[in-house]
Amino acid sequence: GQQLNQSPQSMFIQEGEDVSMNCTSSSIFNTWLWYKQDPGEGPVLLIALYKAGELTSNGRLTAQFGITRKDSFLNISASIPSDVGIYFCAGRGINTGTASKLTFGTGTRLQVTL
Amino acid sequence: DARVTQTPRHKVTEMGQEVTMRCQPILGHNTVFWYRQTMMQGLELLAYFRNRAPLDDSGMPKDRFSAEMPDATLATLKIQPSEPRDSAVYFCASGFPGTGTTGELFFGEGSRLTVL
Repeated sequence: GQQLNQSPQSMFIQEGEDVSMNCTSSSIFNTWLWYKQDPGEGPVLLIALYKAGELTSNGRLTAQFGITRKDSFLNISASIPSDVGIYFCAGRGINTGTASKLTFGTGTRLQVTL
Repeated sequence: DARVTQTPRHKVTEMGQEVTMRCQPILGHNTVFWYRQTMMQGLELLAYFRNRAPLDDSGMPKDRFSAEMPDATLATLKIQPSEPRDSAVYFCASGFPGTGTTGELFFGEGSRLTVL
């Protein structure tokens, strides 16, 4: 089945620093989504990407859909304490059988120190 | 403010007991997913429905788990009998995923299950 490798698994950074995380797939995806999960809550969608090479921003967040369609990157600029949480990438395959469901990465746990 | 509603938020039960988790998807969404989240496995897809019909439940242990959607406003996930290894947070999500659509999923707040 499809697998998503997300890295890093966890990060400790200082407030104000920039953050980068990425996701790679063993197969081609036609959609990449990035979610954030706060403690005790469900994942919330941050950014959606639908075309290879697409670069999309949402405030301090920027995400890119890799040219190969097998990877995606999320960057957070000037991190703040409320950025703490778990970030998940998710991808949707191109085959009819996989087009409906998302495959999730293992998550990147972000902790921000003052 | 439309959102996915899950009940119960927390459940503690003893091994062997039946557990039923419920989900009310966002009105108008035609696809409902059940995910399980654990520290070791991350988010695992258990089952999903489109227009109330089950499309894929290959991720679900069928000997003890069952998922149904009796109507468009209710999805259920049942575990019988429950085991300690079922302890996890169970998420319901709804949306319009599929080729040619935006594909976004909206998650509920989850049901945290502890089986003693």
